[in-house]
Amino acid sequence: GENVEQHPSTLSVQEGDSAVIKCTYSDSASNYFPWYKQELGKRPQLIIDIRSNVGEKKDQRIAVTLNKTAKHFSLHITETQPEDSAVYFCAASIDYGQNFVFGPGTRLSVLP
Amino acid sequence: DTAVSQTPKYLVTQMGNDKSIKCEQNLGHDTMYWYKQDSKKFLKIMFSYNNKELIINETVPNRFSPKSPDKAHLNLHINSLELGDSAVYFCASEGQEGEKLFFGSGTQLSVL
Repeated sequence: GENVEQHPSTLSVQEGDSAVIKCTYSDSASNYFPWYKQELGKRPQLIIDIRSNVGEKKDQRIAVTLNKTAKHFSLHITETQPEDSAVYFCAASIDYGQNFVFGPGTRLSVLP
Repeated sequence: DTAVSQTPKYLVTQMGNDKSIKCEQNLGHDTMYWYKQDSKKFLKIMFSYNNKELIINETVPNRFSPKSPDKAHLNLHINSLELGDSAVYFCASEGQEGEKLFFGSGTQLSVL
């Protein structure tokens, strides 16, 4: 079955700097890769996603890149702000949404 | 934001008790899930229901039983609660196009 790894487990950056979180997956059949943000005590919420037929997607300060050959994808946050502090989860799934497998999460702290 | 709602938000109970968590979605989705998030924040899938049919059961103890009276509801019943069941349980539903996963607000279960 699919296995998703995520690094780093914790990340601290200064406000205004960029943050990068990387995930690898094991099943080459996975074709949908969402990223979720979970603020303290709240539900995970989708912030960006990418399909396997696209190499990069951007939405304002966040972007995701996908390397299918290497089976890894990354979340990039530019100009970080304190409200970006949260736990971020990557996920991979086959058939665009069935059987989501989540990474273990990255706790991002943006220091003022 | 009440697209996926679950109750109660907090549940404190004694070992050996039986409890239920309710989940409802008003998005018209066909697939609903239960996830368990442990103290280390790992998100693990427990069950998935598609049109009232169980399609995933990730080796969850049979003390846990999902019940779906209709496709808008997926409740979780837990019998003979154990200390290790303490966690946050998230209900989620999946978009018609088989992609985006929407989470409920979570139920923090504490077994004493």
